[in-house]
Amino acid sequence: GAVVSQHPSRVICKSGTSVKIECRSLDFQATTMFWYRQFPKQSLMLMATSNEGSKATYEQGVEKDKFLINHASLTLSTLTVTSAHPEDSSFYICSASGDASYEQYFGPGTRLTVT
Amino acid sequence: AQSVAQPEDQVNVAEGNPLTVKCTYSVSGNPYLFWYVQYPNRGLQFLLKYITGDNLVKGSYGFEAEFNKSQTSFHLKKPSALVSDSALYFCAVRDRANQAGTALIFGKGTTLSVSS
Repeated sequence: GAVVSQHPSRVICKSGTSVKIECRSLDFQATTMFWYRQFPKQSLMLMATSNEGSKATYEQGVEKDKFLINHASLTLSTLTVTSAHPEDSSFYICSASGDASYEQYFGPGTRLTVT
Repeated sequence: AQSVAQPEDQVNVAEGNPLTVKCTYSVSGNPYLFWYVQYPNRGLQFLLKYITGDNLVKGSYGFEAEFNKSQTSFHLKKPSALVSDSALYFCAVRDRANQAGTALIFGKGTTLSVSS
């Protein structure tokens, strides 16, 4: 099956700094990538949908200036958490989908801890 | 609007016994349905999907699920549970009428605990 990677798998940063998380589709072209956030023992909350070459579509309540998403190529999307605060600490998961595909392939997730 | 309900926060079974994790859905049209499993601090692993065809779908690790259109359900089952099946299970749906590239809608998750 298709493989999606995320980097880093775990990151600790200080409050006020910015952190970039990468999501890569390794063996297929991902026209659409999704970013989810998951709190402990809770479901995945969709943050935004990004299509290659266009601006991301953010879900209601998600600050676009705080969670910057770039989908510059068919294999890479990045999520940058700007001016991170402790409440941004969470598990961030990306998924990717190819053309005309109902399948989504999930990355292994990134654990962000803001101190 | 699409939605998924997993009515049980936790399911407890003894090893060797059959298990069922319940899922019901609501979409305006015909659904694509999925089950994923998540182990602690890990991403989601795909178990199985229903797209079309046979209502009984067989997936990874001996799991299966039955699509029941009249009851709008897609319960996950396994004939004989293993301790290693203990994890968090998510049901997800997408309306088939939606364009490709539409996000999945997830249930809240059900924690499966299998005791030895």
